[in-house]
Amino acid sequence: GQNIDQPTEMTATEGAIVQINCTYQTSGFNGLFWYQQHAGEAPTFLSYNVLDGLEEKGRFSSFLSRSKGYSYLLLKELQMKDSASYLCAVRRAGGGNKLTFGTGTQLKVEL
Amino acid sequence: GAVVSQHPSWVICKSGTSVKIECRSLDFQATTMFWYRQFPKQSLMLMATSNEGSKATYEQGVEKDKFLINHASLTLSTLTVTSAHPEDSSFYICSARDRGWEGPYEQYFGPGTRLTVT
Repeated sequence: GQNIDQPTEMTATEGAIVQINCTYQTSGFNGLFWYQQHAGEAPTFLSYNVLDGLEEKGRFSSFLSRSKGYSYLLLKELQMKDSASYLCAVRRAGGGNKLTFGTGTQLKVEL
Repeated sequence: GAVVSQHPSWVICKSGTSVKIECRSLDFQATTMFWYRQFPKQSLMLMATSNEGSKATYEQGVEKDKFLINHASLTLSTLTVTSAHPEDSSFYICSARDRGWEGPYEQYFGPGTRLTVT
């Protein structure tokens, strides 16, 4: 089976940097995704890691350590519109490309 | 490109009735579509995998006779919630996989359908 953990809630200040962690346990890892979801809307793709290391895309970066079963999403220069839920999802090898989502982290950006 | 639509965006129905939700890939062909359910302040839970031209594969604990899935074409999958009850009230989201694309963007999510059963 799969077990994916994220902090439930985080609060950060506009303009600051925040790191959202995700730990996972899975049999046969084949990629980790980060999605952003605003309330009542569908998730939107943010980043993808399949190899160890850091992937940078503008204000968002994602890091993966497969040996530690660990990833984080780093958000820089926080804006109020970044207030949303951030979902970590793992794709399992041989799982038919299914994604298993973590519990989600609700980020609140304050002035 | 890679747009997935869902219809309706929200629906209110009475307990005991059935509701059909459509998921369409608008500009690509989707061999596989996924149906998720999301309760308030919870994450997405995969309900089933819908494969074009074959039976859907349901996740453990999901009643296949209650949640009927049909994937009749490469651009349309439907989820029918039969004999709906208030506990079925949830946000239902579909995603579609662009066939032949193995990259990170392979699943595109629809905007979701808010179902309320009274």
